[in-house]
Amino acid sequence: DQQVKQNSPSLSVQEGRISILNCDYTNSMFDYFLWYKKYPAEGPTFLISISSIKDKNEDGRFTVFLNKSAKHLSLHIVPSQPGDSAVYFCAARAFSGGYNKLIFGAGTRLAVHP
Amino acid sequence: EAGVTQFPSHSVIEKGQTVTLRCDPISGHDNLYWYRRVMGKEIKFLLHFVKESKQDESGMPNNRFLAERTGGTYSTLKVQPAELEDSGVYFCASSYGGTAYNEQFFGPGTRLTVL
Repeated sequence: DQQVKQNSPSLSVQEGRISILNCDYTNSMFDYFLWYKKYPAEGPTFLISISSIKDKNEDGRFTVFLNKSAKHLSLHIVPSQPGDSAVYFCAARAFSGGYNKLIFGAGTRLAVHP
Repeated sequence: EAGVTQFPSHSVIEKGQTVTLRCDPISGHDNLYWYRRVMGKEIKFLLHFVKESKQDESGMPNNRFLAERTGGTYSTLKVQPAELEDSGVYFCASSYGGTAYNEQFFGPGTRLTVL
């Protein structure tokens, strides 16, 4: 059973506009959430994270929002740039026994066009 | 500083053959993880090493998969015998030690195709 879900496989946004990528999770024991960005033929690279005790974290053009009651998080990119075109993975940390296993969603492919 | 490296980048084998994937973590990283992404689906956890010890192998699909990390440096993941459903991209990641959250750095992956 998938514990982290990204229901939109793709998203197309015009350059300069806001990109909103969504993620839902089922396990209330997750204590840390992360977004990774992946370009073709490369591994995922860390983008931004949020602790479960926060509801917002901002880093430049990237902001992650967490709604614990809805078990939902979102990544906002504003303004969107062509270089943001990539696959974005939502991940949650299952902090079991002191170790950091990540549970990933299936990814959302973002295309930013002129 | 060199990142996580994986070898080979691609492997195409016949069903029933054996394949060994290698991962070299970032120097000094005690934690090493293996993940797999099958056909555009989610990236799934396979197992976690702390130094040379397996801490969590709950994601290993079956006993055709064998992971080792002798000496606590590089790791290998062997699939024997390979089946069609083993096709996918195998990612390795590493992070510093300790129990606090430490960022996992991913390698570029090995794309395995089983025919």
